[in-house]
Amino acid sequence: SQKIEQNSEALNIQEGKTATLTCNYTNYSPAYLQWYRQDPGRGPVFLLLIRENEKEKRKERLKVTFDTTLKQSLFHITASQPADSATYLCALSYSSASKIIFGSGTRLSIRP
Amino acid sequence: AAGVIQSPRHLIKEKRETATLKCYPIPRHDTVYWYQQGPGQDPQFLISFYEKMQSDKGSIPDRFSAQQFSDYHSELNMSSLELGDSALYFCASSSQSSGSYEQYFGPGTRLTVT
Repeated sequence: SQKIEQNSEALNIQEGKTATLTCNYTNYSPAYLQWYRQDPGRGPVFLLLIRENEKEKRKERLKVTFDTTLKQSLFHITASQPADSATYLCALSYSSASKIIFGSGTRLSIRP
Repeated sequence: AAGVIQSPRHLIKEKRETATLKCYPIPRHDTVYWYQQGPGQDPQFLISFYEKMQSDKGSIPDRFSAQQFSDYHSELNMSSLELGDSALYFCASSSQSSGSYEQYFGPGTRLTVT
């Protein structure tokens, strides 16, 4: 069956360190992989999208890698700040208009 | 910048009642998606529309129906409500025609069925 797994339910790190979140998937061949941030009771907020033919994408303190051989994406937040504390969702889609299939999320906490 | 608008933000209904949730996408976005998120769960795709036609269907119960209107707003109609329908319902929009694939989510409607 198809499955998207994010490395852990919760991750706690010290402010200023790099947070690394992992997304692994099985039985999918997605065209796009996206990362979203979600705060409690709010809608997911788009962060980054990476295509299957791209290896890496960056945006400010964020970096995403996509390895279609390993079926894995890594999401990095450098110089982490307490304001980065949230749940981060990995999401896969097959085409531009297709539904997003979300992973279960990783709750990231950055302690001062 | 304009965002996705959802109404109402909160809704309380009793079992077996009906509910209608509304979504107004970002201007010039042509695709609307509906997701359901239960407590502690990830969002689950329900249904999507592109240019007013249903484009994809997920785990949407037969008791639910949806449509997209000529002004691109969408409505999710839920009938014979059950306790298990209590959840956050998100609408998202995207612009296929501009080649932009990310989805922008609204603030959600919190539905409580008692």
